[in-house]
Amino acid sequence: KAGVTQTPRYLIKTRGQQVTLSCSPISGHRSVSWYQQTPGQGLQFLFEYFSETQRNKGNFPGRFSGRQFSNSRSEMNVSTLELGDSALYLCASSLEGPQYFGPGTRLLVL
Amino acid sequence: AQSVTQLDSHVSVSEGTPVLLRCNYSSSYSPSLFWYVQHPNKGLQLLLKYTSAATLVKGINGFEAEFKKSETSFHLTKPSAHMSDAAEYFCVVSDRNAGGTSYGKLTFGQGTILTVHP
Repeated sequence: KAGVTQTPRYLIKTRGQQVTLSCSPISGHRSVSWYQQTPGQGLQFLFEYFSETQRNKGNFPGRFSGRQFSNSRSEMNVSTLELGDSALYLCASSLEGPQYFGPGTRLLVL
Repeated sequence: AQSVTQLDSHVSVSEGTPVLLRCNYSSSYSPSLFWYVQHPNKGLQLLLKYTSAATLVKGINGFEAEFKKSETSFHLTKPSAHMSDAAEYFCVVSDRNAGGTSYGKLTFGQGTILTVHP
């Protein structure tokens, strides 16, 4: 079975731009969660989607949003990028059990 | 609210010696607990999980962890370190609600960097 895939793997943006990241879960997994990893804050939960509905949300500003499609693929969007948004963004999928992570998208904001 | 404390930010061992990575947790309900490993520039790999079955959990690559409710601990051990074990390790908790369903919000510890010397 194929693992979690994330695209793109690397991204460079400038302040004020917006970005969309994509995540394809393991086949059959309906839950997709997103996390931000930075050296200073570690790994922080952004949000979780299940059957196209946001089920959990972390403590991030409204500039961070997401959605899930009927095939369980998920996207997250960050608008009005700030320098502090530079991070590794990880997506994970699960079948109501352990979460399995993708390789991440590394975002650099200049 | 759930939280995780990894007691050591760095652990250094010699190849062939035991590994102990310490983790304490706080959780409102019966928690699910996990250890993940992250090699440089890679995603997170699940090492093992505890979900209220046996308190001694065996994972991949010879790692084990013991759930001790009285001590709120979930320490990770390995009898003999290998050079390939060098990585960052995360202790993770996921609260389950009163109905026992585990939701998709994981809370991570700050990580322990394991260095293995030849």
